[in-house]
Amino acid sequence: SQQGEEDPQALSIQEGENATMNCSYKTSINNLQWYRQNSGRGLVHLILIRSNEREKHSGRLRVTLDTSKKSSSLLITASRAADTASYFCATDARRDDKIIFGKGTRLHILP
Amino acid sequence: DAGITQSPRHKVTETGTPVTLRCHQTENHRYMYWYRQDPGHGLRLIHYSYGVKDTDKGEVSDGYSVSRSKTEDFLLTLESATSSQTSVYFCAISEGTGNSGANVLTFGAGSRLTVL
Repeated sequence: SQQGEEDPQALSIQEGENATMNCSYKTSINNLQWYRQNSGRGLVHLILIRSNEREKHSGRLRVTLDTSKKSSSLLITASRAADTASYFCATDARRDDKIIFGKGTRLHILP
Repeated sequence: DAGITQSPRHKVTETGTPVTLRCHQTENHRYMYWYRQDPGHGLRLIHYSYGVKDTDKGEVSDGYSVSRSKTEDFLLTLESATSSQTSVYFCAISEGTGNSGANVLTFGAGSRLTVL
């Protein structure tokens, strides 16, 4: 079964609003990453947070990690039309080099 | 997708035929991964490689085999394709630093396989 589960499955918001996506996972991890996928394209790495970090920022992105709850959130502030995409969390477990993805959140930014 | 190419990009084949997808990298990265992407399932790991001739199974390895005889190439083979293997297949590479580091993935453009 998949390690990560994103919530919600789909999200539509107005341009300029903030978008929040959540990810839950099952086993202990080294790192958690977020990726974006535009329709029909390969995934692109956005941000990584290590298991000993609680929050990380990169431009309009803010990621939090709560290892006690085995969950992470991705916040995109001041959303733009170009942010329309699917977003995936990915985890790598402590025991091996597998990188496991969740099912993703489809984000649609309305003009 | 600089440094990583997948071939073929599109393939239609019939049930029972063998299929090989190729992932080629020019980055000299240690790690290579094969994923499949299906609606409602996100990306699922098929197999991955942590070095030449070193491979391991992922979440959905049944019906697939892989080979890595040199650093730059990672081949995914469907010995006898089935309709359930119709999917988009993505290859990804990573420098990797082992269990204490972080494997940040760079993805290829994908290979769309249809099994009739």
